[in-house]
Order: sequence, then C-alpha cells, then structure tokens
Amino acid sequence: QKEVEQNSGPLSVPEGAIASLNCTYSDRGSQSFFWYRQYSGKSPELIMSIYSNGDKEDGRFTAQLNKASQYVSLLIRDSQPSDSATYLCAVIEGFGNEKLTFGTGTRLTIIP
Amino acid sequence: GAVVSQHPSWVICKSGTSVKIECRSLDFQATTMFWYRQFPKQSLMLMATSNEGSKATYEQGVEKDKFLINHASLTLSTLTVTSAHPEDSSFYICSARFAGGPGEQYFGPGTRLTVT
Repeated sequence: QKEVEQNSGPLSVPEGAIASLNCTYSDRGSQSFFWYRQYSGKSPELIMSIYSNGDKEDGRFTAQLNKASQYVSLLIRDSQPSDSATYLCAVIEGFGNEKLTFGTGTRLTIIP
Repeated sequence: GAVVSQHPSWVICKSGTSVKIECRSLDFQATTMFWYRQFPKQSLMLMATSNEGSKATYEQGVEKDKFLINHASLTLSTLTVTSAHPEDSSFYICSARFAGGPGEQYFGPGTRLTVT
C-alpha cells in the first residue's frame, strides 16, 4: 500500500528557532512533492512545492528532497507563533496521476 | 494568483434537503478539480476528482448518487449533497489543479455543512 508518513507530533519549537518537519513516502515513482499548512478550522494552503533532488528555498521556508532515500523535509527558520499549524506533506505518486496522497500531518506549536 | 473560492462558506440545512456548493478558480483555468471532506481532527479525505466536461471519478465508498458533481467549465465545479442527513455534516473543501502545471493543487476556503 502506497503511503506518505509524517510524525504526528505535536512538535514544539521555541520562537526564533528552526522547525524541522519530515516526511517519507513509499512509492519510488513519485515525482511531485508539496507542503501544505493548515490552521485549525481552515483549509490547506500550499506553501512549498519541490520536484527535483536538493533544496528549494522560499523566504523562511526550505524544502529538501532526497528521492534515493524517499524523504522530503520542510525547514522553517526564525519560527514565529503564526507558524503554529498542522503541516501536511503531499505526494503525487507515479506517472500520469493527478491525486495527492497526504500524510496525516504534523502539528507544530511555536512557543513564544 | 491561484485563488480558489467556494460558496457558501457555511450552510445549515434540514435533514432530507439538498445543498449545492460551488467551487471556482478565480484567476486560472483548472483542468481538474477535486472535492474533499474533513471531519474534526481527522485527515482530508478525497471524495472525487472531476474534469471539465466529463463525469467525475469517485473514490471507493463515496456514493455518486448522493454526492453529485458537475464540472461545467474550466473555472467552475459544483458539489450537490442530495437528501442530506446529519452524518453528512462536515467540512467540504474543493481544490483546483492549474492547467498545464506540474500538479500542485490550490484549495478553496471550504464549506462547513451542518445538517439538522
């Protein structure tokens, strides 16, 4: 069974520190990888997408992809209380697929 | 850019009635739209995938006669919950895939349905 796995947390990080979120996936044919942020009671918001091995930076966010090890991570630098949310890892598995396979999410709390 | 709207944002209806939820991509064309449902403190559950001009593809266990999906244009998809019951009360969220893009989905703000 194809899976996307995340540590459910909760993960608590002091304000100003780096938050590190990890995700592993089982389908080696996966091509597209996404991080979504979901605040309680709200819908998911796309914050990062990554398609090739290595790092991709956008502001305080860095996504890292390692296809050989089948993991994707999200680093949040200078964490702010407003970063407190559930972070969902999502993967498009295989070729010609359109559906996202979501992990169960990691709940992140930034402690002021 | 990449804004998806949903209407209504919340709705209360009586058991046995039908409710229609609209999902629009405001500034891009979406070849594919998706409908999800999320119960409190649970993960997103994909209900169906809809492509413009064709029948929706429903996930296993989702009743296609109860959840009617119409994707009339590249910017509009609708979900109709027919003969709603209290167990249909949930947070319904649509997403749209950017036509020609690598696969990212942009989510609407969601519709909270309460069936009394």
